[in-house]
Amino acid sequence: NAGVTQTPKFQVLKTGQSMTLQCAQDMNHNSMYWYRQDPGMGLRLIYYSASEGTTDKGEVPNGYNVSRLNKREFSLRLESAAPSQTSVYFCASSEAGAIYEQYFGPGTRLTVT
Amino acid sequence: SQQGEEDPQALSIQEGENATMNCSYKTSINNLQWYRQNSGRGLVHLILIRSNEREKHSGRLRVTLDTSKKSSSLLITASRAADTASYFCAIRETSGSRLTFGEGTQLTVNP
Repeated sequence: NAGVTQTPKFQVLKTGQSMTLQCAQDMNHNSMYWYRQDPGMGLRLIYYSASEGTTDKGEVPNGYNVSRLNKREFSLRLESAAPSQTSVYFCASSEAGAIYEQYFGPGTRLTVT
Repeated sequence: SQQGEEDPQALSIQEGENATMNCSYKTSINNLQWYRQNSGRGLVHLILIRSNEREKHSGRLRVTLDTSKKSSSLLITASRAADTASYFCAIRETSGSRLTFGEGTQLTVNP
């Protein structure tokens, strides 16, 4: 099992450009999450999907959109990138909500210039 | 949302010593989870402790939970250089459906 995979690993964007971060899990998990991590800080939840077909805002959703494409895949889109979105982005999945542990992908390091 | 607060922010010890990290929170929780993050990598789940549990063990890891003091501790015994990482606590509030992470403790184990 690959677990949680994310693409790309690194990305540099110019202000105003758009991009989509891809995430897939092969553990048949119901819930998926997108977090961002800034230097010296913990993780902040951007969006999550409790189950296929549902998505909800997290702590810092502004400037992002998500799509739960199917049970395996959960993508994060930046429509118009801003320097404040420079961060490391992590996707995670869990069996069902926060009552179970979460499994994380390796992260995408995004720089917006 | 309520964030767990870790203490200390940084800890440096020698191989073979024990390392203790603490996490405090302010509301009632369903569970509390500890994660490890090696530099440049994703988080790895270590232990989940539920609100009705007081202590859990996993190998060299021991986690305690005191809901009356709203605090948890992670003890790593006989530390190794490979334990060097950041350690995060994450709480799931009773009324919420998401995890909120603290800012982490950076542990350095010197050979």
